[in-house]
Amino acid sequence: GAVVSQHPSWVICKSGTSVKIECRSLDFQATTMFWYRQFPKQSLMLMATSNEGSKATYEQGVEKDKFLINHASLTLSTLTVTSAHPEDSSFYICSASPYSNQPQHFGDGTRLSIL
Amino acid sequence: GDSVTQMEGPVTLSEEAFLTINCTYTATGYPSLFWYVQYPGEGLQLLLKATKADDKGSNKGFEATYRKETTSFHLEKGSVQVSDSAVYFCALRGSSGSARQLTFGSGTQLTVLP
Repeated sequence: GAVVSQHPSWVICKSGTSVKIECRSLDFQATTMFWYRQFPKQSLMLMATSNEGSKATYEQGVEKDKFLINHASLTLSTLTVTSAHPEDSSFYICSASPYSNQPQHFGDGTRLSIL
Repeated sequence: GDSVTQMEGPVTLSEEAFLTINCTYTATGYPSLFWYVQYPGEGLQLLLKATKADDKGSNKGFEATYRKETTSFHLEKGSVQVSDSAVYFCALRGSSGSARQLTFGSGTQLTVLP
């Protein structure tokens, strides 16, 4: 079945560092991928919709200069947390689906811890 | 806009007990409905889905029926196992606008004791 791979699974870094998270669709092409953020014991919050070959669409309240999204190919989207601070520590999850009428498949998530 | 209201947890059950996790939704048109499961430290896995009224989704002993009259999609399992311990999310995908965007409920933590 459709598989979405997310890398890395866990990142610990110092405040001020920029961190890149990759989301790959392994056996299908995805013109659209989604990035979510999840705080402990809470639901997923959609951060942005990543569109291949065009700019991402950000949800209200999400800083586009802070969370840079690049969807350069049909199988890869990246989320870069720029100049990360402790408040950016969270679980970040991406999703994609082969077709618009099929369920989303989720990556295993990236736990980001900023010291 | 679209919204999903899910039974708050945590829910703690003994093995072989009956499980119900309530989920109701608000949406225009005819959304698709999903249940996702998240095991500790992992991403979400699709558990089951239903795309139209009266559809029943089922998988691994879990079931949920799309009830348009009550705008509900309650998750049930007749006999839970310790391995079912996880967080369960109800979600919907709207029938208009951003066709693939999901709206999630708040999640319900289930713990099954041996």
